Amino acid sequence: KQEVTQIPAALSVPEGENLVLNCSFTDSAIYNLQWFRQDPGKGLTSLLLIQSSQREQTSGRLNASLDKSSGRSTLYIAASQPGDSATYLCAVSDGNKLVFGAGTILRVKS
Amino acid sequence: EAQVTQNPRYLITVTGKKLTVTCSQNMNHEYMSWYRQDPGLGLRQIYYSMNVEVTDKGDVPEGYKVSRKEKRNFPLILESPSPNQTSLYFCASSLSWPPRGYTFGSGTRLTVV
Repeated sequence: KQEVTQIPAALSVPEGENLVLNCSFTDSAIYNLQWFRQDPGKGLTSLLLIQSSQREQTSGRLNASLDKSSGRSTLYIAASQPGDSATYLCAVSDGNKLVFGAGTILRVKS
Repeated sequence: EAQVTQNPRYLITVTGKKLTVTCSQNMNHEYMSWYRQDPGLGLRQIYYSMNVEVTDKGDVPEGYKVSRKEKRNFPLILESPSPNQTSLYFCASSLSWPPRGYTFGSGTRLTVV
């Protein structure tokens, strides 16, 4: 059974710092991995999608990497801003569904 | 605007009173799915549909029904809601199967008293 773990569970950083969020999964047989952002009580906003054949994806200040063989992904956020404060969710697709991690709660202090 | 639309956004109901949460997408997506999100348990899949008239159970299907009569709509039906179905519900869609990235709706917060 696929399990997804995200570390750290919570992170508080001053504005401007670069930071890394970690995601690990137990079964490497995935179709893709997707990073989402969720604001309190709100929906999920897709940040980056990495197909299983890809190694990384970039969008603005965000960069996500995927090492399928070791079951790991990282989300790198450059020059963090208070508006980046949210919960970040990692999810892997097994074809029929997404399996989510518990998330990392990020707070960026101004 | 390409989107997944859920209605209602908030709903308070009583135990046993049948309800339907609607989900509609305007992107001609083949794949649709329902998730529930609970504190400490995260997001879990309820049902999914690979195309019209094709549905299957996810990890937590008990107490729920779905139908997929049209490509754009995928309603979630609670025939006899119970308090343990109080949750935040999300509908998601993807262009094809197997899914290559998901688009999520804004969520429906359901409270069953």
